[in-house]
Amino acid sequence: DVKVTQSSRYLVKRTGEKVFLECVQDMDHENMFWYRQDPGLGLRLIYFSYDVKMKEKGDIPEGYSVSREKKERFSLILESASTNQTSMYLCASSFDLASGIPGELFFGEGSRLTVL
Amino acid sequence: GNSVTQMEGPVTLSEEAFLTINCTYTATGYPSLFWYVQYPGEGLQLLLKATKADDKGSNKGFEATYRKETTSFHLEKGSVQVSDSAVYFCALSEPGGGADGLTFGKGTHLIIQP
Repeated sequence: DVKVTQSSRYLVKRTGEKVFLECVQDMDHENMFWYRQDPGLGLRLIYFSYDVKMKEKGDIPEGYSVSREKKERFSLILESASTNQTSMYLCASSFDLASGIPGELFFGEGSRLTVL
Repeated sequence: GNSVTQMEGPVTLSEEAFLTINCTYTATGYPSLFWYVQYPGEGLQLLLKATKADDKGSNKGFEATYRKETTSFHLEKGSVQVSDSAVYFCALSEPGGGADGLTFGKGTHLIIQP
């Protein structure tokens, strides 16, 4: 069974702390994504990566960075957490255009982050 | 740019009722269209998809038809169950846009009462 695994389901951090959210996929997908989900706003794309060491900004990259050192792993980093980053964070992966349908994403279960 | 508009929720229905969740889109080309579902406490999972006009996607009793003339992809189910309670997201992906993910609607929370 295909799987996208996010390292932490629930985190509580303090303002100013550095936060790492890890995501691992076992499907050999080229593309990986980080979204945040907020009530009334739906899903918003933070960053995505289409290859190892490559990254692209999504719609709301401010306050975040990412790292993709290995194909299967995509990390989201909050350098200095703030209360407005309290949210549900969702990681996803997909095949590249040549081998799959664009837009067919596989999601992890989400990481709910609370910043106090 | 691309956008997806869904009906506002929550939508509350009784078990065995007929369900329609409306979805319309704006896109510059000919997108692929998707419905994703998020059950409580879980991530999103693909429910069904359609990649060209007049295609019908179906899964678990849900259906949606890609209507290019009305730029719509409404989700329907003939008889809902309590286990269908979830948040439903309509989404689109432009051809050649696979690397930058999907454009999502804001989601519709569906509540099915016994």
